[in-house]
Amino acid sequence: SQQGEEDPQALSIQEGENATMNCSYKTSINNLQWYRQNSGRGLVHLILIRSNEREKHSGRLRVTLDTSKKSSSLLITASRAADTASYFCATGLYNTDKLIFGTGTRLQVFP
Amino acid sequence: DTAVSQTPKYLVTQMGNDKSIKCEQNLGHDTMYWYKQDSKKFLKIMFSYNNKELIINETVPNRFSPKSPDKAHLNLHINSLELGDSAVYFCASSQEGRTEAFFGQGTRLTVV
Repeated sequence: SQQGEEDPQALSIQEGENATMNCSYKTSINNLQWYRQNSGRGLVHLILIRSNEREKHSGRLRVTLDTSKKSSSLLITASRAADTASYFCATGLYNTDKLIFGTGTRLQVFP
Repeated sequence: DTAVSQTPKYLVTQMGNDKSIKCEQNLGHDTMYWYKQDSKKFLKIMFSYNNKELIINETVPNRFSPKSPDKAHLNLHINSLELGDSAVYFCASSQEGRTEAFFGQGTRLTVV
């Protein structure tokens, strides 16, 4: 069954604005990861947050994790047109090599 | 240097044919995966191999058969292709299986 649900499904903003994407999952996790996919390309890993962490930063990216609510958010600050892509969360489960992906958020950043 | 490479990038074939997609990674990773991305962009894991051994086999029709000749390669063979097999197939690899995954560029399979 599908592990992750992402919200919103699509997001359109102007350059310079912040973009926030949310991910909810169903079972206990070892870690949660965010990936980016440009149109017609493969996925690129952005950031990983472990289950015992609450917040992580990488450049303009900020990820939070709330294991009690089984949810995570990805914030992209000061967005750029080049940030236009689909963003996926993926959960790494305990005792398995499986990565379960969410449904993705399509982000459009207008110049 | 391409970390995870898969060939071909595009594959158009008729129903009933048998086709293979190849994947190679030069990262020294132990774990490799095949994912299927459907028209709605939903990514679903199909198989996972660790050191040439099948670890995960989701509910995939047995027309799909992965083959791992060594830990750097994981090929996907599909028999008797059906229209519903049309999708983008991604190969990926990771170290230890619970850290970041590196993806290939995808193979867009179109069955006509």
